[in-house]
Amino acid sequence: GENVEQHPSTLSVQEGDSAVIKCTYSDSASNYFPWYKQELGKGPQLIIDIRSNVGEKKDQRIAVTLNKTAKHFSLHITETQPEDSAVYFCAASRGTGGFKTIFGAGTRLFVKA
Amino acid sequence: DAGITQSPRHKVTETGTPVTLRCHQTENHRYMYWYRQDPGHGLRLIHYSYGVKDTDKGEVSDGYSVSRSKTEDFLLTLESATSSQTSVYFCAISQGHDTGELFFGEGSRLTVL
Repeated sequence: GENVEQHPSTLSVQEGDSAVIKCTYSDSASNYFPWYKQELGKGPQLIIDIRSNVGEKKDQRIAVTLNKTAKHFSLHITETQPEDSAVYFCAASRGTGGFKTIFGAGTRLFVKA
Repeated sequence: DAGITQSPRHKVTETGTPVTLRCHQTENHRYMYWYRQDPGHGLRLIHYSYGVKDTDKGEVSDGYSVSRSKTEDFLLTLESATSSQTSVYFCAISQGHDTGELFFGEGSRLTVL
């Protein structure tokens, strides 16, 4: 079955710097790659997603890139702010149903003011 | 925020006792899911439902059962709780099979002593 590995497990950056989180997946049939942000005491919330027919997607300060050949995808956050501090999860899915979504172990991001 | 309510939010119980967690949604979404979140493992799917009385197993279903008698309610039952089931449990919903986004509740923290 699908396996998703996520690195690093913890990331600390200065406010204003960029942060990059990387994930690899094993199932070449995976075609949907969402990223979720989880704030303390809350449930995860979708922040951006990308499908396998697209190599890059951007939404303001966040962007996601996908390399299907290498089976890895990354989240890029530019101009980080303290409110970006949270746990981020990557995920991979063959379809778009939640029962096919496999999550990475998560990255705890600290943005120091 | 999606209308998802989990109850109880916190519970402490003893090994061998039955526990039921409830997820209630007001979005009329077809799909509902139960995940558990553990350090180093991300989110793992326990069971999911694709309609009233239609449920199926996820990747970590042993020791858990579910029921869905109404569109809005999805119950997770631990028939005889064990310490390995100490975790944070999240309910999620999605609109349909072709829609990728999962909407999560705020979680239920269960401690089994």
